[in-house]
Amino acid sequence: SAVISQKPSRDICQRGTSLTIQCQVDSQVTMMFWYRQQPGQSLTLIATANQGSEATYESGFVIDKFPISRPNLTFSTLTVSNMSPEDSSIYLCSVKGAGVNNEQFFGPGTRLTVL
Amino acid sequence: ILNVEQSPQSLHVQEGDSTNFTCSFPSSNFYALHWYRWETAKSPEALFVMTLNGDEKKKGRISATLNTKEGYSYLYIKGSQPEDSATYLCAFTNYGQNFVFGPGTRLSVLP
Repeated sequence: SAVISQKPSRDICQRGTSLTIQCQVDSQVTMMFWYRQQPGQSLTLIATANQGSEATYESGFVIDKFPISRPNLTFSTLTVSNMSPEDSSIYLCSVKGAGVNNEQFFGPGTRLTVL
Repeated sequence: ILNVEQSPQSLHVQEGDSTNFTCSFPSSNFYALHWYRWETAKSPEALFVMTLNGDEKKKGRISATLNTKEGYSYLYIKGSQPEDSATYLCAFTNYGQNFVFGPGTRLSVLP
């Protein structure tokens, strides 16, 4: 298993501002994943962050809105840019386990409210 | 587009009641079905990973079954306790290894 921490745990932000969320893992991992859960919706994958290359974004998510950094094998950041109330969500980072079933281990999430 | 559904959306039960929820997923290209428990302000906790049709898994008072041919899984909680209150998520993975989550079932156990 992996122990994952996220900062901040929650924040309330004004429309038009940006917030950077940090994710720290207690072991080196190749891939880190960023998800969001909007109110009443499913957890949805935003992007996959690989160390040493650009993140791969899922359909509907773009780098200008959600820039991601992956400076080393234990750390990643996700920035939510030019926020609007629709960005109010829980944002989680995750990593895959080493087993054959590719379990995912998650951070505790960042609860973002945009006014 | 892969779609995973869960029902009910939310559930209130009395302490000591037994309960169950459903996860429906695509039956084609199935690889694994994952169940998670997610308490507020905590990390989602993996409960089960199920891969074979007919699988049954148990962890304490919680158990799960899997039917890959018809595309559903049931999660059962026997003798619910207040500490079982959480959102229960299922996630389907196919051979592409993408995780597709359902919207969750929010369980409240009243003392």
